[in-house]
Amino acid sequence: QLQLQESGPGLVKPSETLSLTCTVSGGSMGSSSYYWGWIRQPPGKGLEWIGSVSYSGNSYFNSSLESRISISVDTSRNHFSLKMRSVTAADTAVYYCARCVLGAASYFDYWGQGTLVTVSS
Amino acid sequence: ETVLTQSPGTLSLSPGERATLSCRAGQGVSSGYVAWYQQRPGQAPRLLIYATSRRATGIPDRFSGSGSGTDFTLTISRLEPEDFAVYYCQQYDGSSLWTFGHGTKVEIK
Repeated sequence: QLQLQESGPGLVKPSETLSLTCTVSGGSMGSSSYYWGWIRQPPGKGLEWIGSVSYSGNSYFNSSLESRISISVDTSRNHFSLKMRSVTAADTAVYYCARCVLGAASYFDYWGQGTLVTVSS
Repeated sequence: ETVLTQSPGTLSLSPGERATLSCRAGQGVSSGYVAWYQQRPGQAPRLLIYATSRRATGIPDRFSGSGSGTDFTLTISRLEPEDFAVYYCQQYDGSSLWTFGHGTKVEIK
């Protein structure tokens, strides 16, 4: 059974960089059938797709965030990472990582439990 | 960017009733690229339906999806107590961009 687990600081200061890692276990990341994504959810609000990365490192971002984010992948260590620069209080959210199936259909089938990141001084 | 509009925002129903949730896209979406998720309080979203109408593994058959073009629907035929949750639709635009709707909350009447 595939499992994903987010890790990283729960508190980030305004203007600093948020860094999260998602560790994948129970399966390999090295397939062209999947992308690996980050989704966030501000407290009491809905889901927002942040970006996705392929096993080869091709990355795609939400246009509203792409000037501040990067996503990298390390298939040898079975993990992928998110960096978000110049954070503000509006970036406070639960951050989820998820596997994205991409082919004739596209959907997020396995999710991490989520990690709350608070932006505050 | 394809905007997804879900309606209603909140649906108040009793156990055993039928729930019909709508998801309207700002432009046409391929049927293969529409999915639905359930999120219970304090939990990660769970995939219910993919490719418009295909149930994910382990999802009961009271959940069904339909639609095409810009209008998609999730139907729960008879609400069970565990079905009271928030539901999100999601689309992929074929150009490496994904979006979610804002959600419909199904609450106990």
